[in-house]
Amino acid sequence: EDQVTQSPEALRLQEGESSSLNCSYTVSGLRGLFWYRQDPGKGPEFLFTLYSAGEEKEKERLKATLTKKESFLHITAPKPEDSATYLCAVSSSGSARQLTFGSGTQLTVLP
Amino acid sequence: ETGVTQTPRHLVMGMTNKKSLKCEQHLGHNAMYWYKQSAKKPLELMFVYNFKEQTENNSVPSRFSPECPNSSHLFLHLHTLQPEDSALYLCASSQTTGFDEQYFGPGTRLTVT
Repeated sequence: EDQVTQSPEALRLQEGESSSLNCSYTVSGLRGLFWYRQDPGKGPEFLFTLYSAGEEKEKERLKATLTKKESFLHITAPKPEDSATYLCAVSSSGSARQLTFGSGTQLTVLP
Repeated sequence: ETGVTQTPRHLVMGMTNKKSLKCEQHLGHNAMYWYKQSAKKPLELMFVYNFKEQTENNSVPSRFSPECPNSSHLFLHLHTLQPEDSALYLCASSQTTGFDEQYFGPGTRLTVT
């Protein structure tokens, strides 16, 4: 059974204070790792897909990286509008038709 | 309309009511999903449809009944729900089932009284 653990559960940063969110996973054959952003009362918004260890993707102040056991979402010089819950999900060869989600990290960026 | 839309956005129903949630995707995708999101818990996959055929039912109680008349529309029929069914119900779509990224609708906030 695939497992995804995200840490920390909540993170408060000052504007401009860079940090990283962690997503640890246990799967039987990773097919893809996905990052989403979810604002309160809204559905998750797709950010990145990573397929293999060593892969990196960037979008504005966000950079996602992947190793064989975990993924990091690095946030550089965050702004208040980056405040949201960030979700990590995996798809594996053991459950190719499903995404397994973590519980998310709630990020608050203070002005 | 673009992306994935869901109606209604909010729904309050009694335990003896029957209601339906509607989802429509405008992305030309072939797979559609229903998820349940409860506070402080990971998203729970409920149902998966691929080319209108149900491919997954994750042990969901029979009081939830999905319907997929075509690849663009998905319904979730609700009857005799319990208060613990109160949650955000999210619809998603992807090009195919498997490891393609999924695109989500805004969700329906359901409250069962």
